[in-house]
Amino acid sequence: GQNIDQPTEMTATEGAIVQINCTYQTSGFNGLFWYQQHAGEAPTFLSYNVLDGLEEKGRFSSFLSRSKGYSYLLLKELQMKDSASYLCAVMDSNYQLIWGAGTKLIIKP
Amino acid sequence: DAGITQSPRHKVTETGTPVTLRCHQTENHRYMYWYRQDPGHGLRLIHYSYGVKDTDKGEVSDGYSVSRSKTEDFLLTLESATSSQTSVYFCAIREGQMDTDTQYFGPGTRLTVL
Repeated sequence: GQNIDQPTEMTATEGAIVQINCTYQTSGFNGLFWYQQHAGEAPTFLSYNVLDGLEEKGRFSSFLSRSKGYSYLLLKELQMKDSASYLCAVMDSNYQLIWGAGTKLIIKP
Repeated sequence: DAGITQSPRHKVTETGTPVTLRCHQTENHRYMYWYRQDPGHGLRLIHYSYGVKDTDKGEVSDGYSVSRSKTEDFLLTLESATSSQTSVYFCAIREGQMDTDTQYFGPGTRLTVL
């Protein structure tokens, strides 16, 4: 079967750095997406990786290793507004998104 | 902002009643999707559409039907609602012509079936 694993919850301190991991086993791979979802709101797109390596976008970076079935989202200079759930999704061989259950990130002052 | 609205935003209904949720987009996107989101689960695809009158089933399509008679509207119908269909429902569009293009989500509909 297809499976996306992420930690359920993480806690970090304002101003610090946090890394949210995602491992996947899917039938085929056409890219990996990260979304942010604040409580009670819709998911919003953060990043897309299809090639191995690091993609940097401001305070957020996303890394992919296809051979290891592994990605991480790195958030730097954490702000209180970064408190949210972070969703990892893999596009499979049918171009359908397979979603992880999400990682709830709690930022403490 | 991908110009997606959903209605209603909240609904409480009783078991056995039909329910229709509406997704409306203003930017002429070809692909539209319906997902449900439940605690402890990732988003799960219910149905999707790749054009007017062109739809296909997703992972959790049982108990749901869809229709798309106009590009801008994608309707999700629960023929006879059950308590297991209590969930948050998100509509999404795919921006662009490539299969790997990003999906953008509407604000969601919170449905409670009593």
